[in-house]
Amino acid sequence: DIVMTQIPLSLSVTPGQPASISCKSSQSLLHSGGNTYLYWFLQKPGQSPQLLIYEVSNRFSGVPDRFSGSGSGTDFTLKISRVEAEDVGVYYCLQGTQVPLTFGGGTKVEIK
Amino acid sequence: EVQVVESGGGLVEPGGSLRLSCEASGFTLINAWINWVRQAPGKGLEWVGRMKPKTAGGTPEYAAPVKGRFTISRDDSKNTQYLQMNSLKTEDTAVYYCGGSGYWGQGTLVTVSS
Repeated sequence: DIVMTQIPLSLSVTPGQPASISCKSSQSLLHSGGNTYLYWFLQKPGQSPQLLIYEVSNRFSGVPDRFSGSGSGTDFTLKISRVEAEDVGVYYCLQGTQVPLTFGGGTKVEIK
Repeated sequence: EVQVVESGGGLVEPGGSLRLSCEASGFTLINAWINWVRQAPGKGLEWVGRMKPKTAGGTPEYAAPVKGRFTISRDDSKNTQYLQMNSLKTEDTAVYYCGGSGYWGQGTLVTVSS
């Protein structure tokens, strides 16, 4: 199974400041078909997960442009350019390149 | 409006069975990769299984902890998928979510306890 490792485990950010979360996979996520199936989710307190980014760098419908994803191979990053209060929650990366799909352990983001 | 709604959760004894439903509106399940994910109390997200779209064969795939006990199926006429869970264990206690095309439901709680 592909192991997904997120760093840091938690993050405390001042509103308006940037934030960055790293996700590393134990194997390359480049699929034989040419796509890289790396996703980012945010689970706000008491809510279900919501998709932020799909296939490394594509923002899902309605996701603010302060969220961006980048990376390739085994190293991926989610960046929030200016954190807002509504961004609090747990962020998860997910690899969909190989079954079983696997999630990172999560990064809890809180506001200072 | 796109919406995904899970239902069917509840309290069941170890060894028992439960069937969850995942109903979609605003998109067609048969054309999407539909994933089932669960979250045990206080824990992170765990992939349970998925149904491939018809264009990719329309077959299910499962995580090791549930393979042989859980079965994903679908009723295209109702735009609904099902997760049949048999031989339930206490460690299956979780909120179960389904999602596809980027949209996820609110989840349904399954509690396995005597």
